[in-house]
Amino acid sequence: QVQLQESGPGLVKPSETLSLTCTVSGGSMRDYFWTWIRQPPGKGLEWIGYIFYSGGTSYSPSLQSRVSISADTSKNQFSLKLKSVTAADTAVYYCARGRSGNDYWGQGTLVTVPS
Amino acid sequence: QSALTQPASVSGSPGQSIAISCTGTSSDIGADKYVSWYQQHPGKVPKLMIYEVNDRPAGVSDRFSGSKSGNTASLTISGLQAEDEADYYCSSYTTSTTQIFGGGTKLTVL
Repeated sequence: QVQLQESGPGLVKPSETLSLTCTVSGGSMRDYFWTWIRQPPGKGLEWIGYIFYSGGTSYSPSLQSRVSISADTSKNQFSLKLKSVTAADTAVYYCARGRSGNDYWGQGTLVTVPS
Repeated sequence: QSALTQPASVSGSPGQSIAISCTGTSSDIGADKYVSWYQQHPGKVPKLMIYEVNDRPAGVSDRFSGSKSGNTASLTISGLQAEDEADYYCSSYTTSTTQIFGGGTKLTVL
């Protein structure tokens, strides 16, 4: 059974960089897309971007200037970096498998950016 | 890219069938078969219910079905049950190789 687990700071100061890592267990990263999705408190899901196991990426146009996703398949991990954060980036951040049908999700991690 | 359009809320009585619509454009829903639906109970992780328009992952009840016509996709839940009360989100792959979600629909079982 594939499992994903997000890790990283729960509090990030304004203008700093949000950094999260997703660790994949119970399966290989090979041949799959790996995605980051966020959900502000009380709001809907927002797609952030994905990475293919071999390194190709795609990002949300609204976040593209601030976001980067990388992967370390030797560690079965992929990571998210979001620069210059503001209070609007406060959200539960999920990592998930897949590109057009996200079948496995992490439990999510709340990242707060104080205003 | 703008979010896909879903009704904010729908409701139905136990045993009834309901449908949730999801409207996009020819660059997303209308472009291909990569439409998916997610169920999210309060405080819980979203769960994949439908992928590639009308396929169900193992373990998802056959009361859930998906369809698509042009730029609009739909999720139908038949034999509505109390446990179906949740938020539902549609999602689509796009011709720009991105993914996009709908705004979400709150389903109330009366």
